Amino acid sequence: AQTVTQSQPEMSVQEAETVTLSCTYDTSESNYYLFWYKQPPSRQMILVIRQEAYKQQNATENRFSVNFQKAAKSFSLKISDSQLGDTAMYFCAFIARETSGSRLTFGEGTQLTVNP
Amino acid sequence: NAGVTQTPKFQVLKTGQSMTLQCAQDMNHEYMSWYRQDPGMGLRLIHYSVGAGITDQGEVPNGYNVSRSTTEDFPLRLLSAAPSQTSVYFCASSYFGTQYFGPGTRLTVL
Repeated sequence: AQTVTQSQPEMSVQEAETVTLSCTYDTSESNYYLFWYKQPPSRQMILVIRQEAYKQQNATENRFSVNFQKAAKSFSLKISDSQLGDTAMYFCAFIARETSGSRLTFGEGTQLTVNP
Repeated sequence: NAGVTQTPKFQVLKTGQSMTLQCAQDMNHEYMSWYRQDPGMGLRLIHYSVGAGITDQGEVPNGYNVSRSTTEDFPLRLLSAAPSQTSVYFCASSYFGTQYFGPGTRLTVL
């Protein structure tokens, strides 16, 4: 069974600064996907970024980037130039590629607050 | 292209009542799932489907039934509501591992 751990229940950052959210996972699978989802107060689950395990290059999406360390089973999210709209709960998630349809495993979440 | 839609947005039930949460997607995705999110927690998988006519249990299936008669629709039925089923329910469809979520249904069971 897969597990995903986010060790930081809450974090805060000043507007325009950079923050890194941590995530570790445990799996015996070799092919899998990792995700960061954002959940603002509206409760909508919004995909932030996706990483395929077989790709060595770290994924980036505008101000969001990841540091994927496959051997260490670590998948951190870096948010650059933080904005007030980045305030949300952030979830790290894992899915094995062989069952890529449906069995997404989530971490407990990190509540990020961006202060003006 | 509406993506994933869920109805209703809010629902209050009494213990023992039954109801169906509706979910539909217009992206022609084969895979669909139901999750629940309890306060302060991540999402947990209830049931999922890999295509029309095929469903399977997730992590927390007890008290819920699903069926998948079409690619578009994946309803979740609560058989006899209990207070422990008070939660926010999310439906998702997926393509190559990436899940696209609906807006959620907030359910309260009194």
